[in-house]
Amino acid sequence: AQRVTQPEKLLSVFKGAPVELKCNYSYSGSPELFWYVQYSRQRLQLLLRHISRESIKGFTADLNKGETSFHLKKPFAQEEDSAMYYCALNQGGKLIFGQGTELSVKP
Amino acid sequence: SQTIHQWPATLVQPVGSPLSLECTVEGTSNPNLYWYRQAAGRGLQLLFYSVGIGQISSEVPQNLSASRPQDRQFILSSKKLLLSDSGFYLCAWSGLAGVQGSQYFGPGTRLTVL
Repeated sequence: AQRVTQPEKLLSVFKGAPVELKCNYSYSGSPELFWYVQYSRQRLQLLLRHISRESIKGFTADLNKGETSFHLKKPFAQEEDSAMYYCALNQGGKLIFGQGTELSVKP
Repeated sequence: SQTIHQWPATLVQPVGSPLSLECTVEGTSNPNLYWYRQAAGRGLQLLFYSVGIGQISSEVPQNLSASRPQDRQFILSSKKLLLSDSGFYLCAWSGLAGVQGSQYFGPGTRLTVL
């Protein structure tokens, strides 16, 4: 069955430290993966998708088919990065979400 | 530009009462529409999705139902609420007007069943 797993419920780092939010998936095909972010009191919004291979707000994510992973990384975390992050897999137009990881960046 | 609205923002209902949550999309035609429930520590669970008027697919058996009476209107309903229906409900749309494969979310409705 298709599944998205985010093993960490909470990740706490200090400002300026590198951050990596883990995402693993299971999918029998060519996956289309996304990262969504929800800042406090804001809507859930798209952060980036693997197809575009772009960097958004300093975040990047590389699809590793061998490890079936799509980890989200940023070399220097900022306090404004504190939010809930969800990894998602596109399954025929429907998104399968992971459980989410709360990122807390401390000053 | 496209916008998505949900109301009410918050709702407190007694067990056994009916429910109607509404979602509307502006600025696009024939969107795919989705209802999710967001629970702490459990991510987002897809409840229903619709590819057109009157076309509803249910993802999980539950006490809820959905309807799409108009192209850009999606309604989540229940005849009798249960305590377990409490949660945060999100509506989303996707389609040609957006980024391929991506979904765009509304502000959500916080439902508390007492």
